[in-house]
Amino acid sequence: NAGVTQTPKFRILKIGQSMTLQCTQDMNHNYMYWYRQDPGMGLKLIYYSVGAGITDKGEVPNGYNVSRSTTEDFPLRLELAAPSQTSVYFCASSQQGAANTGELFFGEGSRLTVL
Amino acid sequence: RKEVEQDPGPFNVPEGATVAFNCTYSNSASQSFFWYRQDCRKEPKLLMSVYSSGNEDGRFTAQLNRASQYISLLIRDSKLSDSATYLCVVNIYGSSNTGKLIFGQGTTLQVKP
Repeated sequence: NAGVTQTPKFRILKIGQSMTLQCTQDMNHNYMYWYRQDPGMGLKLIYYSVGAGITDKGEVPNGYNVSRSTTEDFPLRLELAAPSQTSVYFCASSQQGAANTGELFFGEGSRLTVL
Repeated sequence: RKEVEQDPGPFNVPEGATVAFNCTYSNSASQSFFWYRQDCRKEPKLLMSVYSSGNEDGRFTAQLNRASQYISLLIRDSKLSDSATYLCVVNIYGSSNTGKLIFGQGTTLQVKP
C-alpha cells in the first residue's frame, strides 16, 4: 500500500525560485495537512484541508499556498523561496479530523534547501 | 512559553533500563494527547494515545495529569530498537472542530548495548 506519497524527496532551490511539493494519498482520507520540521524542532502546521475544495491556514502559512482540487492530491507551492524555508516538509492525512483520533499518516518527507 | 514543552535530551540509557519522559502543555483546553515516534530522518508515526486513566501497550506506559498539565511516557526493558525521538502531541479543539495538533520538539532516546 502506497499510503501518503511525497515528491520530490530532495530539492535545492535558489532564493526567489518557485516550486511545488506534491502530495498524494490513496487511503480516501478527507483530511490532509502540510507540516514543516526545522532541525531539533517540533512540526509546525502550514496548511490543512478538510476535503476537496476546502483549505485553511495553519500556524506558519506565510510564503506558501495550497490547493485541493481532488481528495487524493494536496500540493504545496512556494512562490518566492527564501532561506528561512529551508526545512523538511511532511504531508499527512487522516481519516477523521485530528481532533478525533490524533492519528496522522505521514509521507516520507521532502528535504528542501534554499541557497 | 511553548505550548508543548519537552526535554530534548538526549537520554542515553543501557539496554534493559527503564526510562521516562515528561511533557508539559500550556493550554488547559487541550482535549487529547498522543505520543509519536520518529526515527532518524524518517516520518513521525503514532506510538500511542494517552488516556485520562493511563494506558499501557506492552513495555510502554502513558499517563496524563490534567491538574499539572503534563503527560509522561515510560519505557520498560529498553531495547536498542527503541532508539528514536519521541514527540509529545497535544490536540486543541478549534472553532471548526478539526482540532489542532501541537507537536513538541521531541525527546531523543539512545539505547546503548
